[in-house]
Amino acid sequence: NAGVTQTPKFQVLKTGQSMTLQCAQDMNHEYMSWYRQDPGMGLRLIHYSVGAGITDQGEVPNGYNVSRSTTEDFPLRLLSAAPSQTSVYFCASSSAGQGDYGYTFGSGTRLTVV
Amino acid sequence: RKEVEQDPGPFNVPEGATVAFNCTYSNSASQSFFWYRQDCRKEPKLLMSVYSSGNEDGRFTAQLNRASQYISLLIRDSKLSDSATYLCVVNPGGYQKVTFGTGTKLQVIP
Repeated sequence: NAGVTQTPKFQVLKTGQSMTLQCAQDMNHEYMSWYRQDPGMGLRLIHYSVGAGITDQGEVPNGYNVSRSTTEDFPLRLLSAAPSQTSVYFCASSSAGQGDYGYTFGSGTRLTVV
Repeated sequence: RKEVEQDPGPFNVPEGATVAFNCTYSNSASQSFFWYRQDCRKEPKLLMSVYSSGNEDGRFTAQLNRASQYISLLIRDSKLSDSATYLCVVNPGGYQKVTFGTGTKLQVIP
């Protein structure tokens, strides 16, 4: 039982490049989400999904796209990387219940945009 | 007022000490509350849920005060391994509304 798996762990991008951060969970959780964590700002929600085929925007969605074709996978796409997207990105999942049961996080992706 | 506020610390305490953190929240309709632990350069991990009646897990006790809109985490007999950042999480209802505090850093010193 791997939980939530994120890849890659580290990435350096040049401004304007695009990339996809991968997230997979094997707990059959309906809810999945992407957060970014920046110093002094806490975790901020980028996009979330309450089930396969359903996605919605969070607090800071600009510059990111998501899709949810299966229950297991929830990739995050950076369309045209900007230095402001330098951050640590966490994928999280939860069983149904509006977040009442807490989240399981992946180990994170440290992204630097130069 | 921020939705969720925590004292960033750091709290430097000796081994064996008791330490308490508070977290205040602004939305009185908030429904569920959690404490997470985050080690340096690691992901947050759920420490415990916080219930109206309070809950205890070994050396850790979490309490909710709805009247004053804060939650607390008490750690007794601190261990070196308790050194981490503790995040409070408040859910007013709805996945997209879950709010994470910025965390309180605890350093337990020998």
